[in-house]
Amino acid sequence: NAGVMQNPRHLVRRRGQEARLRCSPMKGHSHVYWYRQLPEEGLKFMVYLQKENIIDESGMPKERFSAEFPKEGPSILRIQQVVRGDSAAYFCASSPPAGSTNGYTFGSGTRLTVV
Amino acid sequence: GQQVMQIPQYQHVQEGEDFTTYCNSSTTLSNIQWYKQRPGGHPVFLIQLVKSGEVKKQKRLTFQFGEAKKNSSLHITATQTTDVGTYFCAGQVDYKLSFGAGTTVTVRA
Repeated sequence: NAGVMQNPRHLVRRRGQEARLRCSPMKGHSHVYWYRQLPEEGLKFMVYLQKENIIDESGMPKERFSAEFPKEGPSILRIQQVVRGDSAAYFCASSPPAGSTNGYTFGSGTRLTVV
Repeated sequence: GQQVMQIPQYQHVQEGEDFTTYCNSSTTLSNIQWYKQRPGGHPVFLIQLVKSGEVKKQKRLTFQFGEAKKNSSLHITATQTTDVGTYFCAGQVDYKLSFGAGTTVTVRA
């Protein structure tokens, strides 16, 4: 009964490269959320997805960032042409359909460092 | 847009003492959730409050949801070293969960 799986745990990219972050939600969860956390700050909402649908991407920067949750496979957060300001912890969370009282289950996060 | 404010940002507590962290939302919430994040870790769900004026307890932790469903508090009694970490409140409106900046707790033995 695996929880939310994120990989890689740590990712180092040079400026201008692409970063791909993966998230497999908990079994039975159909909602996936991506959050970004800068050091000593709270979690900032980025995007909310269901299978094959982006429900809300209002927290995503308009350029270089994209997210998907295909019918098969994990959700992917993609950052193109990374810059130093993209360095942060990126957390994925999943939840069952609305009505649950169990909150979000977070993965262990991907710590992205841009050098 | 919805904003969730949390105070204090830092709480330095003597072991055995009590403390409270407060959370305020700019909008009325469907529910409020609390999470704990240990240093280097990920947020872990603690509890969800749904009803106006609701109070829930988990051992030494007491959670309250305000009558107007716009504010909440977490009170910890007899703080222990295991309480170290950052406590986040998160207010939900529809499907969107907005997190406060968190209260980072350190404990002096």
